[in-house]
Amino acid sequence: EDKVVQSPLSLVVHEGDTVTLNCSYEVTNFRSLLWYKQEKKAPTFLFMLTSSGIEKKSGRLSSILDKKELFSILNITATQTGDSAIYLCAVNNDMRFGAGTRLTVKP
Amino acid sequence: DTEVTQTPKHLVMGMTNKKSLKCEQHMGHRAMYWYKQKAKKPPELMFVYSYEKLSINESVPSRFSPECPNSSLLNLHLHALQPEDSALYLCASSQGFRALSSYNSPLHFGNGTRLTVT
Repeated sequence: EDKVVQSPLSLVVHEGDTVTLNCSYEVTNFRSLLWYKQEKKAPTFLFMLTSSGIEKKSGRLSSILDKKELFSILNITATQTGDSAIYLCAVNNDMRFGAGTRLTVKP
Repeated sequence: DTEVTQTPKHLVMGMTNKKSLKCEQHMGHRAMYWYKQKAKKPPELMFVYSYEKLSINESVPSRFSPECPNSSLLNLHLHALQPEDSALYLCASSQGFRALSSYNSPLHFGNGTRLTVT
């Protein structure tokens, strides 16, 4: 069965800090890895990564995939309180999520 | 607002009731999903439909019965639920599932139905 492991499970930082979230996976027939942000309701899509070493960027968020070491990282620079959320990772095989990282950004 | 519509937004039901959750999308997606989410936990996959056929059933108890009448609609029929089934039920869709067409296909989620079983 596919396995998706996220770390850390919980993280508390102050505004302006930079954070790195990790998602490692073990799957057969890997196609892509997806990151989502969930605040109060529906998860919203952030990035889809299919190729190693190519950074995806959106504002202060960026993500990269390492298909050799089987992991992805999500970086958030200059964090703001609005970044407080659960960040979820899923592998585009069975669409099962990892446990998520709960990020809290304090003013 | 999302492109995946779920109704109702909230539902309170007794353990002997029968109710249904509904999900609709008009993006032409051929895969639809039900997830269950408890407080402070990630969404947990329940069912996946691909081209209106059930592809995945994650050993969900039979008191949850999914139905996909057509490619735009997904229902979840509920009967004889337990209080521990109280949760947020999320519907999602994607272009495809486990197919080449799903290669560039993230999930699009509805806002969920908050279910309380009394």
